[in-house]
Amino acid sequence: DTGVSQDPRHKITKRGQNVTFRCDPISEHNRLYWYRQTLGQGPEFLTYFQNEAQLEKSRLLSDRFSAERPKGSFSTLEIQRTEQGDSAMYLCASSLPGTGNGNEQFFGPGTRLTVL
Amino acid sequence: QKEVEQNSGPLSVPEGAIASLNCTYSDRGSQSFFWYRQYSGKSPELIMSIYSNGDKEDGRFTAQLNKASQYVSLLIRDSQPSDSATYLCAVRDDKIIFGKGTRLHILP
Repeated sequence: DTGVSQDPRHKITKRGQNVTFRCDPISEHNRLYWYRQTLGQGPEFLTYFQNEAQLEKSRLLSDRFSAERPKGSFSTLEIQRTEQGDSAMYLCASSLPGTGNGNEQFFGPGTRLTVL
Repeated sequence: QKEVEQNSGPLSVPEGAIASLNCTYSDRGSQSFFWYRQYSGKSPELIMSIYSNGDKEDGRFTAQLNKASQYVSLLIRDSQPSDSATYLCAVRDDKIIFGKGTRLHILP
């Protein structure tokens, strides 16, 4: 399977705990994106990387959220001191750089987080 | 704040008919437009991309773009029960800005 993969697929945690999610992009894609989706809403942008550089962070991304892509391949998204409002589907997508034809974003299966 | 607007539905269409989904966007400078399909509990799946005014056809799907009216649509011909899903309209500006999605229900 050469698509985007995410791990874990599901995570249940208690309020106040830290969680970390991993995303492995399509191998030739140097752009990697994180989105969050809650019920009844479209995905909302969180942050993106080109290679190992984090190029943009949304205002949605509070100080409790941090993302890394240390070697320009896989990425991790960590949420510290989780809150019930963090419960959502966390989606990772990857693409080639640019915004034209052939640079579409493809999504992984997502990690569903439930904070109790 | 760049926005993408869609009717949330549900849109109910008889099997075999044409389903028409519509979307407007706020940024006149947008250049890249997408339709993603999302089944319940699953991640978005890219089904169409369109970059220039006019129509783009791929199998039973046709995307239509009118930049002057800031309007994107998706037509699904010969609708099948398997087309029942939420359809997300999206505009790309490096990151993607999504609408809230339209729930489509194909009636057998």
